[in-house]
This record gives sequence, structure tokens and C-alpha cells, in this order.
Amino acid sequence: DAGVTQSPTHLIKTRGQQVTLRCSPKSGHDTVSWYQQALGQGPQFIFQYYEEEERQRGNFPDRFSGHQFPNYSSELNVNALLLGDSALYLCASSRQGNNQPQHFGDGTRLSIL
Amino acid sequence: KQEVTQIPAALSVPEGENLVLNCSFTDSAIYNLQWFRQDPGKGLTSLLLIQSSQREQTSGRLNASLDKSSGRSTLYIAASQPGDSATYLCAVGTWANAGKSTFGDGTTLTVKP
Repeated sequence: DAGVTQSPTHLIKTRGQQVTLRCSPKSGHDTVSWYQQALGQGPQFIFQYYEEEERQRGNFPDRFSGHQFPNYSSELNVNALLLGDSALYLCASSRQGNNQPQHFGDGTRLSIL
Repeated sequence: KQEVTQIPAALSVPEGENLVLNCSFTDSAIYNLQWFRQDPGKGLTSLLLIQSSQREQTSGRLNASLDKSSGRSTLYIAASQPGDSATYLCAVGTWANAGKSTFGDGTTLTVKP
């Protein structure tokens, strides 16, 4: 049973570019959340997708956008990259419901030069 | 706004010692609290999920407790081993923002052989 998979594992971009990160949820999960984790800090919630719609959003600018596909996989898009966007981007999946545990992928390490 | 604090930020213990990691949160209207482990450069591994109606959860050498009224959770690790060395993160889900988890910055544990 495959867990949460994310691609790519590492990515290097320059300021002003755009990036797309991908996530496939654990089998049986229908909800995907994205988090940004800076070095030495806990993950910060970006947004959550369920039924192909954004359900919750954290305190991130509109440069951060996402999408969920009918097969529950998801993409995170970041436009006009800034140096401060360098971080580990984590995808978590779960079943819809308030008491469902989240399962995380290994993340995408994004470096902005 | 939910805020989660983990103390201490770092902890070093000799192998075999029992230890307690602390997590405190400011909004007691939570629906669950989840403890995670993170190895360097990796994603998060779920350890225990405590629902708001529960007081504790156990898995092997791990025991997590929850006291909503005081806004605290503890993770107890019995007979620590070098393989337990990692960063431990707690994440709180609140009814006000269903689907969003708020993380602490973690406690980095080193178990010396």
C-alpha cells in the first residue's frame, strides 16, 4: 500500500520563476493538505483540498495556488518565486472528517537562488 | 488564533532513560492532537493521534496524554534508544478551522549510546 508520494524530491529555481509541485495521496484518502516548513521550524499550513475545491487556507499570498484532480492527486503552484519561498514543502493526505490522522510524504525541497 | 509551543527545543539523554516531551496550545477548542516524528531531511511520520474526547493513547514504548482544560499534551517515551533520535512535533486541529493543523516547532531529541 503506497503512502503519500511527492515529486520532485529536490528543485532549484531562481527568483521570479514559477514552480509546480505534485502529490499523490495515500490509497483511500480523499483530502490533501499542503504545508511549508522552513528550516528549524514546524510546518505552516498553506491550504487544503477536498472534492477538487480549496476548503481551508492559511496565511499565504495568492502567489500560492493549488489544484486537486478527480483521482485526488494534487498540485501546488507558486508564482513569482522569492528567496523566502525556499523551504521543504510537505503534502499530507487523510480521509475527510475531523478525527482522521494525517499522513505525510517526504516533501519537496525547494531552493531559490 | 491557535498557537502551539513545544518545550524544550532540544533534549539530550543517555540510552535507556525515560523521557517526557511537552506541547502546549492556547485554544482549548480542539478536535484532535497528533504527535509526529521527523528525521533530518524527511517528511513526518505519524506516531499517535488523540481525539478531543480521549485522555491518552499508547503505542509500544510511546504514550501520549491530553489535558484540554490546561492546554497541554505530553509524549512519554520509555526506555529510549539511539534510534529514537529525531525531531518530535505536535499538531493541533481546532473546531474553528476544521482541516487545518497548527504545529509547534518541535523538540529535537538525541539519545546517546
